[in-house]
Amino acid sequence: GAGVSQSPSNKVTEKGKDVELRCDPISGHTALYWYRQSLGQGLEFLIYFQGNSAPDKSGLPSDRFSAERTGGSVSTLTIQRTQQEDSAVYLCASSLGLIYSYNSPLHFGNGTRLTVT
Amino acid sequence: SQKIEQNSEALNIQEGKTATLTCNYTNYSPAYLQWYRQDPGRGPVFLLLIRENEKEKRKERLKVTFDTTLKQSLFHITASQPADSATYLCAPGAGNMLTFGGGTRLMVKP
Repeated sequence: GAGVSQSPSNKVTEKGKDVELRCDPISGHTALYWYRQSLGQGLEFLIYFQGNSAPDKSGLPSDRFSAERTGGSVSTLTIQRTQQEDSAVYLCASSLGLIYSYNSPLHFGNGTRLTVT
Repeated sequence: SQKIEQNSEALNIQEGKTATLTCNYTNYSPAYLQWYRQDPGRGPVFLLLIRENEKEKRKERLKVTFDTTLKQSLFHITASQPADSATYLCAPGAGNMLTFGGGTRLMVKP
């Protein structure tokens, strides 16, 4: 079946521009996460959506970052006034809900590679 | 703050041998721990989950241990194959939140 889909796969933007990254989770998955992975680094948590609850935004690095999830499905991560340090791979993951359950681990997309010049 | 440590140097082993990867954590009491595999240019793929009350978990050629006293998890791949070459990520978790380590790159040579 279809997995988590992210678009675009690559994005090059100039410093100061805004960018939008899209994530289509697996149908029926209620939990959605955004992570950021810099070269050779681990995954840095950004934001977490669970059903209709208020999102956990505790990982967003600055107020230039925001995300929304419409209709409990598609999510968009927006970075305003991009900086060079924002260059990274942005990964989206979805889950059936409770990732501590054996049956609902995280399913990741292949990410969007963002390069800010 | 929470710290997850995995050997940042690549692990090179010969095909057929057992690969052992280490994950240590500090300032953290995870209720469970997951391991993921990541290939270049791809997102991580879930492999195994082990809970704090479990000492060991197995799946085919994979085995994970979880020692909450040592604050350590070991990940073993027996009878390793070149196709096992990838980066392996350790991710301790609590509630619905995972904290990922930086990963260890495994290279299995034929």
